[in-house]
Amino acid sequence: DQQVKQNSPSLSVQEGRISILNCDYTNSMFDYFLWYKKYPAEGPTFLISISSIKDKNEDGRFTVFLNKSAKHLSLHIVPSQPGDSAVYFCAASRGADGLTFGKGTHLIIQP
Amino acid sequence: EAGVAQSPRYKIIEKRQSVAFWCNPISGHATLYWYQQILGQGPKLLIQFQNNGVVDDSQLPKDRFSAERLKGVDSTLKIQPAKLEDSAVYLCASSYVQNTEAFFGQGTRLTVV
Repeated sequence: DQQVKQNSPSLSVQEGRISILNCDYTNSMFDYFLWYKKYPAEGPTFLISISSIKDKNEDGRFTVFLNKSAKHLSLHIVPSQPGDSAVYFCAASRGADGLTFGKGTHLIIQP
Repeated sequence: EAGVAQSPRYKIIEKRQSVAFWCNPISGHATLYWYQQILGQGPKLLIQFQNNGVVDDSQLPKDRFSAERLKGVDSTLKIQPAKLEDSAVYLCASSYVQNTEAFFGQGTRLTVV
């Protein structure tokens, strides 16, 4: 029973354009959402987070949007750069619980 | 600031053998997590510590997996006996307090043959 779903295993975007990564969740009790970036042979690196009381959070080129009614969040990267090529994981938590992760989306930035 | 340290980076063992992984979290982080990441999947929480007490171990296969966090700092995760399906990357993470971003170590890649 996957509570956090990333339905696109991979996404290819041209350098300089916008990358949009999507994530859906089923547990309405989740109150904190995060995006992690992972390079091969490394651990996940925290990117950006959003609390359920907000619908948008921005940090430089990265913006996360949360739509609670649709149980959907997305990560926008503008503009996309070659170094953004990595696997992106969506994660969620409820209260003091640990994180529940999606399966990841492999983002490929093409020159 | 030093990150989360894990060792070893790689380990190959035969099924039915035992193995142990070590983690040193970021200094001052009270919460420590162990995750298992099977190829093609996202990390799955095995156990969560708050200081040296267990907060959640509901997904830890307790017949073969054990973990401890002595003195609320370092932690070890042990598998005994290992099965083929335990082949995965074992990630340790820590956070300052619960329900904030967790910082991950590089992980230990375990191969059971």
